[in-house]
Amino acid sequence: SQQGEEDPQALSIQEGENATMNCSYKTSINNLQWYRQNSGRGLVHLILIRSNEREKHSGRLRVTLDTSKKSSSLLITASRAADTASYFCATGYTGRRALTFGSGTRLQVQP
Amino acid sequence: DVKVTQSSRYLVKRTGEKVFLECVQDMDHENMFWYRQDPGLGLRLIYFSYDVKMKEKGDIPEGYSVSREKKERFSLILESASTNQTSMYLCASIRDRDRGNQPQHFGDGTRLSIL
Repeated sequence: SQQGEEDPQALSIQEGENATMNCSYKTSINNLQWYRQNSGRGLVHLILIRSNEREKHSGRLRVTLDTSKKSSSLLITASRAADTASYFCATGYTGRRALTFGSGTRLQVQP
Repeated sequence: DVKVTQSSRYLVKRTGEKVFLECVQDMDHENMFWYRQDPGLGLRLIYFSYDVKMKEKGDIPEGYSVSREKKERFSLILESASTNQTSMYLCASIRDRDRGNQPQHFGDGTRLSIL
């Protein structure tokens, strides 16, 4: 299976702390994407990092990609209660239409 | 902004019924996808379509079929619903030239319960 795996499966932190989620995958990719899902809703795209990039930032989000280890991490700095959600990584492959999703990390930010 | 609309947020059906889940996108995207989401399993691809009347099986197509008669609409059909098809169903779309390189656009999901 090419499916990515997120780690940890669940994470509980206090507001203001940083949250780090990890994603590993098995085969060479074109890009890796992170999505957020609020409870009972669809997925919202957060950030895309290409295979030739090592780090990308968007607001309080920082994503790193290590293609030699086939892994990525998503860091949310200064977390807020509103960041409470599930976070999924997805891998994209050149020419392949579908993404391959991981099983997600459930983040709970306590106020 | 791209809008992907799923016709129902919640749906309750009985075992053996034929169930239709509808998805519409408003950005003329060639590719549309149906995923199923279950706790601990993430999103799994059921079927996708890359053009009108064209479809390909995903990872878990058994028990499902799809229909794409118009570019903007992609339907997921449960031919004879079973309790193990109780799940969250998510539709997504993307332009063909962006495939594999850009984010997919998701609907809000349909939470389907089969009794």
